[in-house]
Amino acid sequence: EAQVTQNPRYLITVTGKKLTVTCSQNMNHEYMSWYRQDPGLGLRQIYYSMNVEVTDKGDVPEGYKVSRKEKRNFPLILESPSPNQTSLYFCASSTPRGRFNTEAFFGQGTRLTVV
Amino acid sequence: ELKVEQNPLFLSMQEGKNYTIYCNYSTTSDRLYWYRQDPGKSLESLFVLLSNGAVKQEGRLMASLDTKARLSTLHITAAVHDLSATYFCAVMSGAQKLVFGQGTRLTINP
Repeated sequence: EAQVTQNPRYLITVTGKKLTVTCSQNMNHEYMSWYRQDPGLGLRQIYYSMNVEVTDKGDVPEGYKVSRKEKRNFPLILESPSPNQTSLYFCASSTPRGRFNTEAFFGQGTRLTVV
Repeated sequence: ELKVEQNPLFLSMQEGKNYTIYCNYSTTSDRLYWYRQDPGKSLESLFVLLSNGAVKQEGRLMASLDTKARLSTLHITAAVHDLSATYFCAVMSGAQKLVFGQGTRLTINP
């Protein structure tokens, strides 16, 4: 089954304690992205990757890091989480623009609370 | 900078009624998406609209795209309770960024 898998689904952590949210896709997609969802703001892109070792900032990258060492994995790293990073996070993957019916597939989401 | 605005943001309606959600965007794009999100769940793709005048229908939902007006609509026909959810439109910007509207929380009452 084609899917994007995030872990963990729920996480409560304390300010300053480094954490990683993992994301893996099994569709051999080149493109992967991270979004955060906050009430009234929709989803905003944090970082994206167009292929292995190619990453770039989205609209709200401050406080986050990513890496793309393998095509299937795109972890999101919070080196020193702060309460304003409390949010619902989604990983997405897709095929490059220009191919027929490019569509983004989303993971189940990770609800992060930073206290 | 691309901005996407949906309205209304909240919509409460009765079963059997028709209604439309509007999605306006600020700069040219040739790709618009509609997603559904149930509480606590991920985003489910509903429609991908790729060209001016595109219309797609699935059950009681119909989406259309007018690229000249930079407007997409999601029309709900004879609403049923199962359609209660939050609906997002999103527009492709640049290489691979989706810019989302704020979402429309739809509640359908018996």
